[in-house]
Amino acid sequence: QQQVKQSPQSLIVQKGGISIINCAYENTAFDYFPWYQQFPGKGPALLIAIRPDVSEKKEGRFTISFNKSAKQFSLHIMDSQPGDSATYFCAASINSGNTPLVFGKGTRLSVIA
Amino acid sequence: DAMVIQNPRYQVTQFGKPVTLSCSQTLNHNVMYWYQQKSSQAPKLLFHYYDKDFNNEADTPDNFQSRRPNTSFCFLDIRSPGLGDAAMYLCATSMASDPGGQPQHFGDGTRLSIL
Repeated sequence: QQQVKQSPQSLIVQKGGISIINCAYENTAFDYFPWYQQFPGKGPALLIAIRPDVSEKKEGRFTISFNKSAKQFSLHIMDSQPGDSATYFCAASINSGNTPLVFGKGTRLSVIA
Repeated sequence: DAMVIQNPRYQVTQFGKPVTLSCSQTLNHNVMYWYQQKSSQAPKLLFHYYDKDFNNEADTPDNFQSRRPNTSFCFLDIRSPGLGDAAMYLCATSMASDPGGQPQHFGDGTRLSIL
C-alpha cells in the first residue's frame, strides 16, 4: 500500500512532442505528490509538485494532472526538448510533505531531434 | 549557491574497510535524509533525522550508521562495506512544518566504489 507505481519505464519522444509519464498509488493518506528530474551524475531536483486540492498544476512546459478518485497523477512535458532527456521520478508522501517520500521506480526519457 | 553539499563526490574503498560520507546544508532545514541509489533504480531511504531524532528504515542493514552532530551536518558511516554497497549515496534535506512541509532538496551524491 506504500507503493507508487510509475510507467513507462522508458520513453522516447520526438523533439517538440508531448512526453507523458503516469503514476498510481493506493494509500489514500498521501497528500503531497512531487516530480523529480535527475540527470546522470546529479541528485534529483524538484520539478513540480501538487497537493490533492487541485486537479492540475502548470509551470512552464511542465503540467501535473491529478485524479484523486482514480488515485493517479501524471506529468506532461509539452514541446519536449533534447535537454529534457533525464530520468523522472514521481513520489508521494503524507502529512503534507512532512514524512519521507515514497518514490516510483523512474522513467528514463530520451528526446530525439 | 550549492545548498546541500556532499563530500567527497567519489569515494573508493576496500572491501570491509570503514568509510564515512558527509553532507552539509546551508538551508537550516530540520530534516536530513540519507538515500542509497543503485544504477537505474529509485532512491531508497536508509534513515532520516528529524532534528536530533533518528529514524531508521526497517530494512536498512546494521552495517549502515549515521550521525548528526548539529543542524548543518550529517554523516553516513558504513562499517564494513561489501560489494553490494557500491552505489550512489544521496543526502537530502527538508523543512518539516505545520501546516505543510517543504520539498526535499538533494545533494549531488557520493559515488561509492568497493574494491
